[in-house]
Amino acid sequence: AQKVTQAQTEISVVEKEDVTLDCVYETRDTTYYLFWYKQPPSGELVFLIRRNSFDEQNEISGRYSWNFQKSTSSFNFTITASQVVDSAVYFCALSEAPHRGTYKYIFGTGTRLKVLA
Amino acid sequence: ETGVTQSPTHLIKTRGQQVTLRCSSQSGHNTVSWYQQALGQGPQFIFQYYREEENGRGNFPPRFSGLQFPNYSSELNVNALELDDSALYLCASSLGLAEDTQYFGPGTRLTVL
Repeated sequence: AQKVTQAQTEISVVEKEDVTLDCVYETRDTTYYLFWYKQPPSGELVFLIRRNSFDEQNEISGRYSWNFQKSTSSFNFTITASQVVDSAVYFCALSEAPHRGTYKYIFGTGTRLKVLA
Repeated sequence: ETGVTQSPTHLIKTRGQQVTLRCSSQSGHNTVSWYQQALGQGPQFIFQYYREEENGRGNFPPRFSGLQFPNYSSELNVNALELDDSALYLCASSLGLAEDTQYFGPGTRLTVL
């Protein structure tokens, strides 16, 4: 069965510290897609990244980087030099290949990140 | 800005009532999905519509129903509201394939008293 686990419920860091948010997933499919979303207090889910199961290259986008490791079924997210504006709830999500025709996301329970000034 | 809008922003209803929530997808997006997000939880998949037909459903009872219209708008209807239906309801639009990113609207916060 599909499952996404974000074991860290809440993390607090001081501004400029680096922080890594963990995501572990379970799926029986060989083709799947992983996503990270940011949810600020306003509530809207903001798309950050999409990764397919055949692309294990790590990605860096500014202060954000992602480490995808199929061997450990993990897709971790690192924020370098955190800022107060990074404070939000971050969700990892999994979408399996459309062999059943339904393209739903399975979300983790989220990690609340608090960046203190 | 994702181009996905939802209305209303907030809604208060009493137990047993019915509610309709609305979503306007990005132009050209054939798929709309609805999610329920309870406080402190991740979004839970309710159902999905593709070109005006239901394309999949999560573990929600039949009193949750939906419609999708040709103009990229959609509705989520909930009958016989229960207290546990209080949540943030999110709609997401995508082109239609699993690899396509879903873009979420700002949500409708429903409170059932």
